Amino acid sequence: RKEVEQDPGPFNVPEGATVAFNCTYSNSASQSFFWYRQDCRKEPKLLMSVYSSGNEDGRFTAQLNRASQYISLLIRDSKLSDSATYLCVARCNAGNNRKLIWGLGTSLAVNP
Amino acid sequence: EPEVTQTPSHQVTQMGQEVILRCVPISNHLYFYWYRQILGQKVEFLVSFYNNEISEKSEIFDDQFSVERPDGSNFTLKIRSTKLEDSAMYFCASKYSNQPQHFGDGTRLSIL
Repeated sequence: RKEVEQDPGPFNVPEGATVAFNCTYSNSASQSFFWYRQDCRKEPKLLMSVYSSGNEDGRFTAQLNRASQYISLLIRDSKLSDSATYLCVARCNAGNNRKLIWGLGTSLAVNP
Repeated sequence: EPEVTQTPSHQVTQMGQEVILRCVPISNHLYFYWYRQILGQKVEFLVSFYNNEISEKSEIFDDQFSVERPDGSNFTLKIRSTKLEDSAMYFCASKYSNQPQHFGDGTRLSIL
C-alpha cells in the first residue's frame, strides 16, 4: 500500500465550482500534514498545513481525520489560476529533520 | 522574500559522467534536503542533512550519491557516475527548526 495515496484525477471543473480532494495515509505515526501545489515542471509550493481542528485560508479549507487517516482539501469558487497539481504530504515521526512523504498528486483543471 | 536558489536550471550530461547540482539554502536555515521527481512521477525524498551530516537517506541515495556543505552556504548533490534513470528534476529544500520546507526551482538533469 502506498504511504500517501491520492486520486490522480484529472478533475475538470468550471470556474466558480467547489472541488474537494481526498488523501489517505498508511503510517499512523505520521504527525504533520501539508498540501502543496505544483505547477507543470515547477517546484512544489506550500499551500497550507493541515491541522486536526481543520483550517481555512481564504477559499481553501483543509481537514484532517486521524482516526480514518484521511486528509481533505476543499477549494471554493475556483479560479483559472487554481489549475495545478495538488500534492498531499505527510511528515512522519517526531524531530525537526524528518523527511516529507509525498502523494502522487491530484491534477485540477479549471475551465472558463 | 528570501528563497532557495539552485543552479544550473538545466544540466545535460553523458551517462557515466559525474554531475554536481548546487543549492544555496536560505541563510538562517538549519535543515537541508534533496528530493527528485522523475517526469510524471511523484516527488521522492533522497537525503536530509543537519549539523554537517546526513540525518536520513532513502534507498535511492546509494553509493553513487553524496552531499556536501563545503562553505556554510552551498549545499551540493553529487552523482558520481550517472545513469539514464537519474534523469529527473532535482529539488533542494531548506527549513528553519519546526517550519515548513522551502523549495528551490529545481535542476532538470538530463542524462544522454
